[in-house]
Amino acid sequence: EAGVTQFPSHSVIEKGQTVTLRCDPISGHDNLYWYRRVMGKEIKFLLHFVKESKQDESGMPNNRFLAERTGGTYSTLKVQPAELEDSGVYFCASSQGRLEAFFGQGTRLTVV
Amino acid sequence: DQQVKQNSPSLSVQEGRISILNCDYTNSMFDYFLWYKKYPAEGPTFLISISSIKDKNEDGRFTVFLNKSAKHLSLHIVPSQPGDSAVYFCAASPGTYKYIFGTGTRLKVLA
Repeated sequence: EAGVTQFPSHSVIEKGQTVTLRCDPISGHDNLYWYRRVMGKEIKFLLHFVKESKQDESGMPNNRFLAERTGGTYSTLKVQPAELEDSGVYFCASSQGRLEAFFGQGTRLTVV
Repeated sequence: DQQVKQNSPSLSVQEGRISILNCDYTNSMFDYFLWYKKYPAEGPTFLISISSIKDKNEDGRFTVFLNKSAKHLSLHIVPSQPGDSAVYFCAASPGTYKYIFGTGTRLKVLA
């Protein structure tokens, strides 16, 4: 069974540009999450989808971040325009229930 | 304000000995706690969990202890193996689907 897959693994963009991260969850997992780890600090929750609906987006830092989950399958996280402080590792996770979320390998975003 | 704290950034242990990783929390509404292990360039991997109604959960070499009165949990690994060298994250759930993570503890098991 395939795990959570994220694309790209690395992205380097200039300040002011747009970047779109993609996540393919484990098949059959209705719950999909985005997290971010900045500069070796804690892994911070961004938002939670149940199928295609946003259940909790309390962790989204500002309106430069837009997450979508088309048809309740894969999800994208767009940052527009990117700022220097957006650099970090973005993790996607999925789960069937509330517990034991499975994480992807992450996308390392560097804004220069 | 960090609700889940891992105050030891790093820990070194000899192979075969016990590793004890600690985690403190402030929110009494947390009802579920988890430990994740993370290798470089990989995502966190679920290790073990415990419900707030229990005080101990064991899975092979890994045991998690929960002390609710002290708002403290710990992960014991015994015996420690070189392959256990990784960053360990403590996480807590406030009764919802999201996890609140600590900053992680880097464990190094020396052969």
